[in-house]
Amino acid sequence: DARVTQTPRHKVTEMGQEVTMRCQPILGHNTVFWYRQTMMQGLELLAYFRNRAPLDDSGMPKDRFSAEMPDATLATLKIQPSEPRDSAVYFCASGLSVGYEQYFGPGTRLTVT
Amino acid sequence: GQQLNQSPQSMFIQEGEDVSMNCTSSSIFNTWLWYKQEPGEGPVLLIALYKAGELTSNGRLTAQFGITRKDSFLNISASIPSDVGIYFCAGRETDSWGKLQFGAGTQVVVTP
Repeated sequence: DARVTQTPRHKVTEMGQEVTMRCQPILGHNTVFWYRQTMMQGLELLAYFRNRAPLDDSGMPKDRFSAEMPDATLATLKIQPSEPRDSAVYFCASGLSVGYEQYFGPGTRLTVT
Repeated sequence: GQQLNQSPQSMFIQEGEDVSMNCTSSSIFNTWLWYKQEPGEGPVLLIALYKAGELTSNGRLTAQFGITRKDSFLNISASIPSDVGIYFCAGRETDSWGKLQFGAGTQVVVTP
């Protein structure tokens, strides 16, 4: 049963701390997307990759957020330093290629106090 | 944030009733996707549409890609309690390099 996995599922941290979220895309998918979901803004695209290369990260606050794909089975999203306004659910999604469906992981619920 | 207009925002229906929701865009799309999200989980893909006029079913769910390419609808027939959740539409423009735009969601509540 192929699915996107994300770790951790929940993270509570103090303001100023570094947060790292990880995603394992579905095997064989070459596009990976990072989204943030909040009640106010809904689902927002932060960044996405194709064949491990960043295609667009215009949705990310560049000063504190960074996204990478060290290899085809791992995507990471880092926040340093974290702020209370970063509290949200962060989703990773993967797709066979840019024009295909996107499959979402279960999300990481981040709370920054 | 959302760029699609999804309605209604919420629906409270009785078990057995049919549900209909729709999404409209100001742009022409080449893809419409419908997702369902339950509390604490990620959106789950229900139906994918790639051609104008396309009508696709998945069990009791039916979705259509509007012929203007600027809208889509999702119907749920004979609703059951497990249909409860938030349904999102998502669409993609031709030159968007894979980027999806999302609707704000339709919350469906089914009472026995």
